[in-house]
Amino acid sequence: GAVVSQHPSWVICKSGTSVKIECRSLDFQATTMFWYRQFPKQSLMLMATSNEGSKATYEQGVEKDKFLINHASLTLSTLTVTSAHPEDSSFYICSAPQGVDEKLFFGSGTQLSVL
Amino acid sequence: AQSVTQLGSHVSVSEGALVLLRCNYSSSVPPYLFWYVQYPNQGLQLLLKYTTGATLVKGINGFEAEFKKSETSFHLTKPSAHMSDAAEYFCAASGGYQKVTFGTGTKLQVIP
Repeated sequence: GAVVSQHPSWVICKSGTSVKIECRSLDFQATTMFWYRQFPKQSLMLMATSNEGSKATYEQGVEKDKFLINHASLTLSTLTVTSAHPEDSSFYICSAPQGVDEKLFFGSGTQLSVL
Repeated sequence: AQSVTQLGSHVSVSEGALVLLRCNYSSSVPPYLFWYVQYPNQGLQLLLKYTTGATLVKGINGFEAEFKKSETSFHLTKPSAHMSDAAEYFCAASGGYQKVTFGTGTKLQVIP
């Protein structure tokens, strides 16, 4: 099946710094990618839809200035957590639809810990 | 708006025993329903999905799920658990394939 690569798999950063997470579709092109966040013992929550060549669409309650999304090519979307704070510590995961039935393929996720 | 409820954040079964993971959804229209599995340090993998047609859906690794509209349920079952089935399982629903609402997940432990 299709492969979505997400990097890094875990990152620890200091409060106030910015962290970039990459999501790549390795063997297919993705005009759309999705970014989710999962807090401990909670479900995956859709944060935003990344659209190649245009602005991302953010879900209600997600700060677009804090979570910057760039989808500059058909195989790469990045999520940058700006001025990270401890409450941003979470598991972030991306997905991309592929094929006629737009089956979702997921990255392996990024565990972010902000000290 | 849709919501997905998974009963039991942790389920333990003996190897060879029946696996039953429960999922209920709330939706104003019949949704697409999915079960995903996540093994440690890996991404989510689709186990099976229901869109239309036959309500009993068979997936990979011997899992199946039945869509019961009257009960708004989509429980996941497997007749005989294997050690390799130990993972976290997510039920999900959507109005299409893309915007998916996930449940909180159920960690399955298989006891030898």
